[in-house]
Amino acid sequence: GESVGLHLPTLSVQEGDNSIINCAYSNSASDYFIWYKQESGKGPQFIIDIRSNMDKRQGQRVTALLNKTVKHLSLQIAATQPGDSAVYFCAEKGEKAAGNKLTFGGGTRVLVKP
Amino acid sequence: DGGITQSPKYLFRKEGQNVTLSCEQNLNHDAMYWYRQDPGQGLRLIYYSQIVNDFQKGDIAEGYSVSREKKESFPLTVTSAQKNPTAFYLCASSSRGLFQPQHFGDGTRLSIL
Repeated sequence: GESVGLHLPTLSVQEGDNSIINCAYSNSASDYFIWYKQESGKGPQFIIDIRSNMDKRQGQRVTALLNKTVKHLSLQIAATQPGDSAVYFCAEKGEKAAGNKLTFGGGTRVLVKP
Repeated sequence: DGGITQSPKYLFRKEGQNVTLSCEQNLNHDAMYWYRQDPGQGLRLIYYSQIVNDFQKGDIAEGYSVSREKKESFPLTVTSAQKNPTAFYLCASSSRGLFQPQHFGDGTRLSIL
């Protein structure tokens, strides 16, 4: 079936640098995308979402980018901090997904080096 | 504080035993979801409910059952038919509408004795 995947399973970044987490999706009919952060032993925490009619959405220190031409999502984290160390998931919703079901990618682990 | 509460945090199951995981939300959300997460993997949908007294199977419903008698509660039973139940179980809820994110509880870790 349609799925969402990630290019890099682990990303190491120096504290203070910017991080970029990538995600490819295969369902061209997806209309809504969400990024989640999951810390060890906890549930996923909503970070930012972006609709298919947008190319970019800015949050506090985070930016979601969407390239529908190549079906690619990115999450940019500015000035990465130790507290940003976690696993990041992208999720997508098909345009006609029953129950607004989400399909999750496999996750990228971000490790922030001091 | 509004949120989603899952209990217990850790649960152990004996062979042949059914166990029930609790999920309660006070966000006034209509939709609720159950996911299973295995180590190093993403989330897979078990069951979901868009409204009280109605629920639908997700991608991996075999060996699980749910009920939705109240808007704020969506318990998940892991039955003895689920042969590989060891996992991290996550409950989520969302408002109805096309572009509403799901919000998650902090999970229940189920292990086999």
